[in-house]
This record gives sequence, structure tokens and C-alpha cells, in this order.
Amino acid sequence: DAGVTQSPTHLIKTRGQQVTLRCSPISGHKSVSWYQQVLGQGPQFIFQYYEKEERGRGNFPDRFSARQFPNYSSELNVNALLLGDSALYLCASSFEGARATGELFFGEGSRLTVL
Amino acid sequence: DAKTTQPNSMESNEEEPVHLPCNHSTISGTDYIHWYRQLPSQGPEYVIHGLTSNVNNRMASLAIAEDRKSSTLILHRATLRDAAVYYCILRDGEYGNKLVFGAGTILRVKS
Repeated sequence: DAGVTQSPTHLIKTRGQQVTLRCSPISGHKSVSWYQQVLGQGPQFIFQYYEKEERGRGNFPDRFSARQFPNYSSELNVNALLLGDSALYLCASSFEGARATGELFFGEGSRLTVL
Repeated sequence: DAKTTQPNSMESNEEEPVHLPCNHSTISGTDYIHWYRQLPSQGPEYVIHGLTSNVNNRMASLAIAEDRKSSTLILHRATLRDAAVYYCILRDGEYGNKLVFGAGTILRVKS
């Protein structure tokens, strides 16, 4: 079975531009979460979606937005890019929603560089 | 968010056991202890989790202190493929919709 897939794997943008990152969860998983990982640090939670509804949001500005589609895939949008948005963006899927006993399955990430 | 404290780095010899410690003195009764690891150029990978009792799976064992204020991830025979950053995470059992990662422990394995 395919794992979590993310696209694109690498991209370069300039300050002020907008970017859309995409994620396809494991088949049967209804929850998708997004994390930002800056070089040398652990991942930071951005959003969680379950059954197409936002279930959680981390401490990120409104320039960050996301949505989940009927097929449970998800997009993360970042507007007005700043140099500090350069990071690895990770998507994770899971079967359960809010309950915390299951595992998250992470994709390999989208590496965003902002120049 | 409840915090965990881990050593910055550890080193092990191949084929020997590795004990990765984690302190979580502010753990609440509903927090599960999760461990993930991140190999170079990959996303994090689930290792194991537990609540109160020690847990074993094919990858590792998790030993939880009786007062739950600390835990230890045990890799029984380290291999070069176990070289990674290991994260100890507390996750609320009822509303744990997110993982709160710290800096983790960098594990180096020597051949």
C-alpha cells in the first residue's frame, strides 16, 4: 500500500509569493495534519483536519491556511512568503481524529526555500 | 503543552543495546508517552507508545517509571540503520490531536 505522498518534493519561491503544498493520506485515513520543520529543530504543528473539518491549529499566522477535500487529501497554502517560511513541510495521516492512542504516518515532506 | 527533556545526543556501538532516557515530570494522568524517530532526509516514524505499563513491539521496548515522570526507550541491538533523531512526546489521550516535538536525541551508532 502507498504511504503518505506529498508534492512537490522541492520548490523555490521568492518573498511575497504564495505556495500550495499537497498531501495524499494513506487509504482509509480520514485525518491529515501539517507540520513545519525548520532546519535543526523538531517539527511544529500547524493544522489538523478530520473529516474535512479543522480540528486544531498551531501558533502560526493567518498567512497559513489549509483544507481537506472529500477524498481526504489536503492542501496547505502559505501567502506572502517570508524568508523564515523556508522549511520542510510534513504531512501526516492517521485513522483516528482527536483521540491520541494511534500512530501518525508521515510523508517525506516538501522542502520549501524562500529567497 | 506538557514538556519532555532528553539528552542532546548519545552514541552507541553496533549490536549493543541502547537506552534513550526522557524526563516528563509534568505529565498528566491522561498523557500518553509516544516515541518517534526521524532518519536523515525522511519524515518522522512512529516507534512505540504507552500509558502506564511497559510496552514491547518489533522495533523497541518502552519502560515507564512507576510515577510516570520518566521513561526509557530501549533498542535491544542497535544497527547502523537506527542512527536517527529520537523524539519523546507527550500526547493527551482525549484531545491529543497534535504531536509536540522537542529537539530530540541524536543517536549515533558506531560500527
